[in-house]
Amino acid sequence: GAGVSQTPSNKVTEKGKYVELRCDPISGHTALYWYRQSLGQGPEFLIYFQGTGAADDSGLPNDRFFAVRPEGSVSTLKIQRTERGDSAVYLCASSLRGDSAGANVLTFGAGSRLTVL
Amino acid sequence: QQPVQSPQAVILREGEDAVINCSSSKALYSVHWYRQKHGEAPVFLMILLKGGEQKGHEKISASFNEKKQQSSLYLTASQLSYSGTYFCGTEKNAGGTSYGKLTFGQGTILTVHP
Repeated sequence: GAGVSQTPSNKVTEKGKYVELRCDPISGHTALYWYRQSLGQGPEFLIYFQGTGAADDSGLPNDRFFAVRPEGSVSTLKIQRTERGDSAVYLCASSLRGDSAGANVLTFGAGSRLTVL
Repeated sequence: QQPVQSPQAVILREGEDAVINCSSSKALYSVHWYRQKHGEAPVFLMILLKGGEQKGHEKISASFNEKKQQSSLYLTASQLSYSGTYFCGTEKNAGGTSYGKLTFGQGTILTVHP
């Protein structure tokens, strides 16, 4: 597509429920990133995919968070047993290639706003 | 470690200039600048790689002092459309390869009034 598309744009759920957030990157971009942005803060790195594999998942806060990218394009961020502290905007970004000897420009989507009641 | 941005907020009249600073405690490979309007995606402005370069984009330019691990974003003759939150994202030195794993500052809120 022309840009990075994320769905849903808003998700309200109850504490303890399971949530899936979807990201459709720019066509042809091999690298995909998930970031989380809390109110009044900058985005915080969660995980990075190069192709189908998670090249770096060091930012995932705990084992309730998991992400997949089975065909190297669309990615899903999965959150189990949601907690109120998970409330944030989850941003997805993509870039042409994730390992670049030079400039590696990330294009962000508008995000999925998650509210856990 | 999160880079530190200053100032936290700036209020300008149209046509005035502003400088936003970004400081890191770690050796950096690159600095990325983004602008985000409320409820929207962060929009890429420019990227600076280590080497102390300065880049420009219309009336917005930036510099990167690798030795001091600092970057500054310069906004000249500001327009109403410049309003938003500006973030610097830093990438630490990883042997000359960029992986896009950025650490963002807390943001600088810029408001331009007519």
